[in-house]
Amino acid sequence: AQSVTQLDSHVSVSEGTPVLLRCNYSSSYSPSLFWYVQHPNKGLQLLLKYTSAATLVKGINGFEAEFKKSETSFHLTKPSAHMSDAAEYFCVVTYNQAGTALIFGKGTTLSVSS
Amino acid sequence: EPEVTQTPSHQVTQMGQEVILRCVPISNHLYFYWYRQILGQKVEFLVSFYNNEISEKSEIFDDQFSVERPDGSNFTLKIRSTKLEDSAMYFCASSHIFGGDYNEQFFGPGTRLTVL
Repeated sequence: AQSVTQLDSHVSVSEGTPVLLRCNYSSSYSPSLFWYVQHPNKGLQLLLKYTSAATLVKGINGFEAEFKKSETSFHLTKPSAHMSDAAEYFCVVTYNQAGTALIFGKGTTLSVSS
Repeated sequence: EPEVTQTPSHQVTQMGQEVILRCVPISNHLYFYWYRQILGQKVEFLVSFYNNEISEKSEIFDDQFSVERPDGSNFTLKIRSTKLEDSAMYFCASSHIFGGDYNEQFFGPGTRLTVL
């Protein structure tokens, strides 16, 4: 069985400071891992994905994540937060097989203050 | 850039009524999905669909729910007799199976269903 734990339900940062959103996963097989972002009243947008290639994955808007198998983690980072980064972020795990369900974490709300 | 579209964006219905939520997946995709997100909760998988049949479904997807691909472009979710607890945002997604990253799913903007 697969599961995802997002360790923080809410993270607050100041504009220009680093962002760290934490995610741990559990999977019996080699997983695919994703981060999705959801802005208020919008759909889900893929930020980045890990599918067994490079362990450091770069995504859109300056975000990146590192797959650490030994720690079963896939934390999302950004060196410098922008006001527009304020949103809900979901860590997602799935089998690397077509048609299988995405398993979502509970989400982390990122607030950015000026 | 191709995208998944969903209609309507917001649907209000009375308890016990049937609703059909519509989706147009990306045209060369072969797998289709429905997810839902109850307000304040996480996104939950409902069902996946391939080659005109359900390939996987969750325990949420009971006999009240059905999916259909009535033509070459639309993918629908029907709820036969809506309950208050069906109120949620429903997301459609699609993916293709050829090439790498074949489980990357592309999401539509969602339909907010409100059951009164």
